[in-house]
Amino acid sequence: QSALTQPASVSGSPGQSITISCTGTGGDVGGYDYVSWYQQHPGKAPKLMIFEVSNRPSGVSNRFSGSKSVNTASLTISGLQAEDEADYFCSSYRNSDNPVVFGGGTKLTVL
Amino acid sequence: QVQLQESGPGLVKPSQTLSLTCTVSGGSISGGSYYWSWIRQPAGKGLEWIGRIYTSGSTNYNPSLRSRVTISVDPSKNQFSLKLTSVTAADTAVYYCAREDVKVVPCSFDSWGQGTLVTVSS
Repeated sequence: QSALTQPASVSGSPGQSITISCTGTGGDVGGYDYVSWYQQHPGKAPKLMIFEVSNRPSGVSNRFSGSKSVNTASLTISGLQAEDEADYFCSSYRNSDNPVVFGGGTKLTVL
Repeated sequence: QVQLQESGPGLVKPSQTLSLTCTVSGGSISGGSYYWSWIRQPAGKGLEWIGRIYTSGSTNYNPSLRSRVTISVDPSKNQFSLKLTSVTAADTAVYYCAREDVKVVPCSFDSWGQGTLVTVSS
């Protein structure tokens, strides 16, 4: 069982927007602005899409955005494209003894 | 652009020790403010952080694996390594090495290896 809770799947049509949630506790998501999001295509390594809740690394499309409210972080993808179909994982800082925890992942299907 | 590459046996017998190495190219493993981590992913499941080593050599481990894990670094070879003892079938997974640039993307992994599948079976 993963430390952070994500929906197993979400779907949307091309051009639409979708949001994936990531729920933790005040000891991780809610306590720090260190939430990250990763995209993973089948058979590939994860790719960092969002760090520090809402920051995009260089080269990541501005269609990807992140936010947080209390203990739940969210990833929003606008203007869905076929290439966005992938698994998405969130992660958060927890504490110095166990610094990194992940969500169980969400499969995004572009209809 | 830094690149990471995992290497090691793809098959390990139960109760034995899993050993993997990550070779870093395109940058020094000792330069900068970096954490070098191991992360694993069982087939069809989520990611699990195993542990990390800092540029200085200090380490942190996932509490659930701490008693079985050792991560070390060899700056002369620009490599860091993972040892996981007393493995069982539950340790079967794709193992990734990854980098956290503390100053640019704190608490995030901006570079990943391609992953290597390790199967625990007799």
